[in-house]
Amino acid sequence: AQKITQTQPGMFVQEKEAVTLDCTYDTSDQSYGLFWYKQPSSGEMIFLIYQGSYDEQNATEGRYSLNFQKARKSANLVISASQLGDSAMYFCAMREGDNNNDMRFGAGTRLTVKP
Amino acid sequence: DAEITQSPRHKITETGRQVTLACHQTWNHNNMFWYRQDLGHGLRLIHYSYGVQDTNKGEVSDGYSVSRSNTEDLPLTLESAASSQTSVYFCASSDGTSGSLRETQYFGPGTRLLVL
Repeated sequence: AQKITQTQPGMFVQEKEAVTLDCTYDTSDQSYGLFWYKQPSSGEMIFLIYQGSYDEQNATEGRYSLNFQKARKSANLVISASQLGDSAMYFCAMREGDNNNDMRFGAGTRLTVKP
Repeated sequence: DAEITQSPRHKITETGRQVTLACHQTWNHNNMFWYRQDLGHGLRLIHYSYGVQDTNKGEVSDGYSVSRSNTEDLPLTLESAASSQTSVYFCASSDGTSGSLRETQYFGPGTRLLVL
């Protein structure tokens, strides 16, 4: 079964607007971690933000924030004030508590920021 | 600065040939990973290692092997390349000492492999 689901293959956003990239996950563990990575056209994977299952506050890192809804098993990435350089593939990933070196990735969402 | 490198960055080979992709990290990380990236699948784990002489199979390990003779390197070998192994391959590493779920994996630049 798919552990991480990203339902949006592609998204468009106007420059300077906010955008939400969806991610839902499936786990029976109580302890897990959720990650978002950015992959620009150059190909490298860049870590953006982390949310732990026991974290009480939603994670934030600059213009990135994570809308964590534990009961719904969703961990959506919010990018505020989009910039042209935000155009990239974005991957959601999860690490579960009982196998904490094995990360599962979603299929990704391609974000295009329009000027 | 510490880094993780992969070589070659691009490779074309023929079916049936043995191919080895190199991964070298200077972070002194215990954990190293190999993933493949295919459209519609995101990244899938091939093999991983928690330390020297340790190797483990991941989700899509058939047709691949790894060996870990030192901390810095985890080469990935395709024993007999198949067209289905055409993909982009990423190596990653993480510290492996904290046991924390938060521990980040750092990725290499990737290797594009085409099997004809």
